[in-house]
Amino acid sequence: EIVLTQSPGTLSLSPGERATLSCRASQSVGSNYLAWYQQKPGQAPRLLIYGASSRATGIPDRFSGSGSGTDFTLTISRLEPEDFAVYYCQQYGSSPWRFGQGTKVEIK
Amino acid sequence: EVQLVETGGGLIQPGGSLRLSCAASGFTVSSNYMNWVRQAPGKGLEWVSVIYTGGSTYYADSVKGRFTISRDNSKNTLFLQMNSLRAEDTAVYYCARGHCSGGSCYPYYFDYWGQGTLVTVSS
Repeated sequence: EIVLTQSPGTLSLSPGERATLSCRASQSVGSNYLAWYQQKPGQAPRLLIYGASSRATGIPDRFSGSGSGTDFTLTISRLEPEDFAVYYCQQYGSSPWRFGQGTKVEIK
Repeated sequence: EVQLVETGGGLIQPGGSLRLSCAASGFTVSSNYMNWVRQAPGKGLEWVSVIYTGGSTYYADSVKGRFTISRDNSKNTLFLQMNSLRAEDTAVYYCARGHCSGGSCYPYYFDYWGQGTLVTVSS
């Protein structure tokens, strides 16, 4: 069973700054089957990235994903006001399809 | 436009049953992998169940034997029958579609989500 650990728990940044979020897996994620989601309060999650680095439809190019094996990163190149939210990674390479515990990106 | 609307949540006593519905529009439920994902208050996300296009179903260990996923093709609706409910089942339940891209669909990560329905298990 793969456990995902996201860090940091909270990231305090200002609009315009770069955000780097980490997702570390306890075992290698097969075929880099790793997704990232954004969730705002009271809303459903929104798919940002799949396959570790492919952007979902309609996602701005300031969002990028990278990594392989056990270490993955979501980068937001320049934070916009609407990007302040909680971000979750999820592995779908092997059952059970678990999510990380989330990273909150808050306004500094 | 793809839309998912969940209904059926509410307050239920431990040991009780509840059936959640997810009405879909803009696509055909039976042609896609459809999932339920839940989120306990203030907590992270937990995958619950999936139904494949062919009808096969799979469950998280935490709900296996208590929950049943199904669909009504004529109504383009997904269901989750929840029996023997426990306090730890308290959560917002989302229905979510497996991602589709370039004519291919995948079961276990999710491109469209409903707004969620809250299930509270408490006496």
